[in-house]
Amino acid sequence: KQEVTQIPAALSVPEGENLVLNCSFTDSAIYNLQWFRQDPGKGLTSLLLIQSSQREQTSGRLNASLDKSSGRSTLYIAASQPGDSATYLCAVRGSGGSNYKLTFGKGTLLTVNP
Amino acid sequence: NAGVTQTPKFQVLKTGQSMTLQCAQDMNHNSMYWYRQDPGMGLRLIYYSASEGTTDKGEVPNGYNVSRLNKREFSLRLESAAPSQTSVYFCASSASFYEQYFGPGTRLTVT
Repeated sequence: KQEVTQIPAALSVPEGENLVLNCSFTDSAIYNLQWFRQDPGKGLTSLLLIQSSQREQTSGRLNASLDKSSGRSTLYIAASQPGDSATYLCAVRGSGGSNYKLTFGKGTLLTVNP
Repeated sequence: NAGVTQTPKFQVLKTGQSMTLQCAQDMNHNSMYWYRQDPGMGLRLIYYSASEGTTDKGEVPNGYNVSRLNKREFSLRLESAAPSQTSVYFCASSASFYEQYFGPGTRLTVT
């Protein structure tokens, strides 16, 4: 059974700092990995999708990497801003028969202090 | 372009009552999903519909039923609500195995 772990559970940084959020998964047979942000009381907003054949994806100040063989992904946020404060979730989509299922981590709560 | 919409936004039910959560998407996606999000448990898949006319159980289907009404709409029904079904429910859609897009959620309390 796929398990997804996100470390740390919470992170507080000063504005302007570069930071890395970590995601690990137990079964490397994945189709893709998706990073989301969730603001309090809101739905999930997709940030980046990395296919299993890719190593990284970039969008603005965000860069996500994937090392499938070691079961790890990182989300790098450059020059953090207070508006980046949210919970960040990673989710992996299985391959083969479980490829409709996304397995989520429990998230990292990020606070960026002005 | 509204994306994924859900109704209602909030609902309070008494134990044993029934209700249907509605979801619609305007992105012409084939696949649609229902999740629940609980503190400490993360997001868990209840049911999904890979394409119009098909539905399959996810991780936690007990106590729920679904209907894929057409390509746009996917509803979730609680036939006899229980306090354990107090949760936030999210609908999502995707073009098959690609990026999933989520609705704003329905906050359900069962007393």
